[in-house]
Amino acid sequence: SQTIHQWPATLVQPVGSPLSLECTVEGTSNPNLYWYRQAAGRGLQLLFYSVGIGQISSEVPQNLSASRPQDRQFILSSKKLLLSDSGFYLCAWRGGGITEAFFGQGTRLTVV
Amino acid sequence: GQSLEQPSEVTAVEGAIVQINCTYQTSGFYGLSWYQQHDGGAPTFLSYNALDGLEETGRFSSFLSRSDSYGYLLLQELQMKDSASYFCAVPSGNTGKLIFGQGTTLQVKP
Repeated sequence: SQTIHQWPATLVQPVGSPLSLECTVEGTSNPNLYWYRQAAGRGLQLLFYSVGIGQISSEVPQNLSASRPQDRQFILSSKKLLLSDSGFYLCAWRGGGITEAFFGQGTRLTVV
Repeated sequence: GQSLEQPSEVTAVEGAIVQINCTYQTSGFYGLSWYQQHDGGAPTFLSYNALDGLEETGRFSSFLSRSDSYGYLLLQELQMKDSASYFCAVPSGNTGKLIFGQGTTLQVKP
C-alpha cells in the first residue's frame, strides 16, 4: 500500500534561518507531488508541484523553493525565513490516472 | 485562470442535512473532488465526480453539473464528528496541477 511521510510535525525557526522540509512517498512510482501551505482557518494554497524528477512548477512567487532529487522525494526549502512563512505545510501525492490525492500529516511552521 | 468558490461557513444541527456548494472555473475539466479536514489534521478524500449527476457514498453524496460549472457535497444525518472544513478541488488541465477552493467550515450543533 502507498504511504506518505512528512517531517517534522512542528518546527519553530527564527527569522532569517534556513528551512528544509522533506516528504517521501512509498508504494508507488512516478507520482505527482505537491506542496501546499495553509494559513490558520484558510484554504490550501498550492506552492509547488512536480510531475517527475527535477521537474518543478512554482505557483506563487515567494521566499521558498522546491526540489525533487528522487522519484518519491520532495523537498521544500528556504534560505532565509520570513515571519510570513509561518503556516501549516502539507505535502501530497497523486498517481497518474488516480483522482484521489493523499496528504502527509503536515508540518506546522512558526517563524519567530 | 482557475478558481473555485465555496461558502466560508455553514452551521447545522445534528441529524440534519446540509449542502455545500462549489462553483469552478478551469481551463479544461477533469473532474471535481471533495476533501474533509478536521482541525489540525490533513485533508482526506471524500468523493469524485467526473460526469454529471449524483454519487453516493454512505451519508455523503456529491453532485456535479458540468454545464453549470457547479457541484455540491451533501451530508445527511449530520453527526458532531462531521464538524470540519470541506474543500472542493479540481485538476487544472492535464499538467498535474491540483487546486483547492478556500474551504467551507461546517459547524454541527447539538
